[in-house]
Amino acid sequence: QQQVKQSPQSLIVQKGGISIINCAYENTAFDYFPWYQQFPGKGPALLIAIRPDVSEKKEGRFTISFNKSAKQFSLHIMDSQPGDSATYFCAASSSGTYKYIFGTGTRLKVLA
Amino acid sequence: GAGVSQSPRYKVAKRGQDVALRCDPISGHVSLFWYQQALGQGPEFLTYFQNEAQLDKSGLPSDRFFAERPEGSVSTLKIQRTQQEDSAVYLCASSSSSRNEQFFGPGTRLTVL
Repeated sequence: QQQVKQSPQSLIVQKGGISIINCAYENTAFDYFPWYQQFPGKGPALLIAIRPDVSEKKEGRFTISFNKSAKQFSLHIMDSQPGDSATYFCAASSSGTYKYIFGTGTRLKVLA
Repeated sequence: GAGVSQSPRYKVAKRGQDVALRCDPISGHVSLFWYQQALGQGPEFLTYFQNEAQLDKSGLPSDRFFAERPEGSVSTLKIQRTQQEDSAVYLCASSSSSRNEQFFGPGTRLTVL
C-alpha cells in the first residue's frame, strides 16, 4: 500500500513534443505529490508539486494533472527540449509522516 | 550554504570495512532525511531527523546502519561491516520543516568490492 507505481520506464520524445509520465498510488492518506528531476551525478531537484485539493497545477512548461478518485497523477512537459533529458521521479507523502515514497523513475530523452 | 552538500562524493570500500558519509544541510533547516538510491531505482527512505532527534529510523536496512545528528545540523550516516548489497547512492535532503519541500544533496556513491 506504500508503493507508487510509475510508467513508462523510458520515454523518447521529439523536440517540441509533449512528454507524459504517469504515477498511481494506493494509500489514500497521501496528500502531497511532488515531481523531481534528476540529471546523472546530481541529486533530485523539485520540479513541481500538487496537493489533492486541486486537479491541475501548471508552472511554465510543466503541468501536474491529479485524479483523486482514480488515485493517479501525471506530469506533462509541453514543448519538450533536449535539456529536459533526465530521469523524472514522482513521489508521495502524507501529513502523518514526512518521508517521500518515490516511484521507480522515467528516463526521458528528447531528440533534437 | 547555497545547498545541501555531501562528502565524500565517491567512496570505495572493501567488504567488511566501516564507512562514514557526511551531510551538511541548508543552514537553518530543522528536518534532515537520508535516502538510499540503488542503480536505476527511485530513492528509498532510510531515516529522518528533526533537529538532533532521530524521529524515524524505520528504513534503515539493518543494525549495521547508524545515523546521527548530534548538534542538529551536520549529520553522519555510518555503515559498519559493509556488504556488496550496500552499494548505492546515499542521498541526504533537508527541509525547513517536515511538511515543506525537501532539498537534495548530490549524493555519495558507495561501491563495496
